[in-house]
Amino acid sequence: NAGVTQTPKFQVLKTGQSMTLQCAQDMNHEYMSWYRQDPGMGLRLIHYSVGAGITDQGEVPNGYNVSRSTTEDFPLRLLSAAPSQTSVYFCASSYSESGALHFGNGTRLTVT
Amino acid sequence: AQSVTQLGSHVSVSEGALVLLRCNYSSSVPPYLFWYVQYPNQGLQLLLKYTSAATLVKGINGFEAEFKKSETSFHLTKPSAHMSDAAEYFCAVSETGGGNKLTFGTGTQLKVEL
Repeated sequence: NAGVTQTPKFQVLKTGQSMTLQCAQDMNHEYMSWYRQDPGMGLRLIHYSVGAGITDQGEVPNGYNVSRSTTEDFPLRLLSAAPSQTSVYFCASSYSESGALHFGNGTRLTVT
Repeated sequence: AQSVTQLGSHVSVSEGALVLLRCNYSSSVPPYLFWYVQYPNQGLQLLLKYTSAATLVKGINGFEAEFKKSETSFHLTKPSAHMSDAAEYFCAVSETGGGNKLTFGTGTQLKVEL
């Protein structure tokens, strides 16, 4: 049972480049979300989804897009990378709104 | 809007001593409350959660937390610290009907000394 799988583990981008961070879960969870973790700021919610075809913005959505075409996958797209998007990104899923979040191991992104 | 405050970004205890990590929250509706632990270069793991059942919640690795509505607190404790408890701990809140959107505190780094 793989749980939540994020790829890539590390990525370096130049300012203005675009990329997609991949997230897949094999637990048939309806709820999925993306967080970014920055030193001294905890984790902040970027986007979330309560099921296939349904997404909404979190606390810090600017510069990011998501879609949820299947229950398993929830990719995060950076449209035009900026140095302020240098961070560690975590994807998470849960069975219910009160359920524990299952986290991936993160993607460490550096934008130069 | 929901929010979480964790007092103390760094806490240091001796091995065998009591661990107390503080968390205060605000929420306009009955909250769900969580404590997560993060070891270096890993994602977060759930320690325990409160979902309106018993106010004293027991979690993994000997940790527990008590929900106190009057104080809007959800402090994490462990009677006797172990070296393996050294990690970063995050308190988080979500709201009933909120779709499991968690708001996290800024984290407390726990150091355990011999």
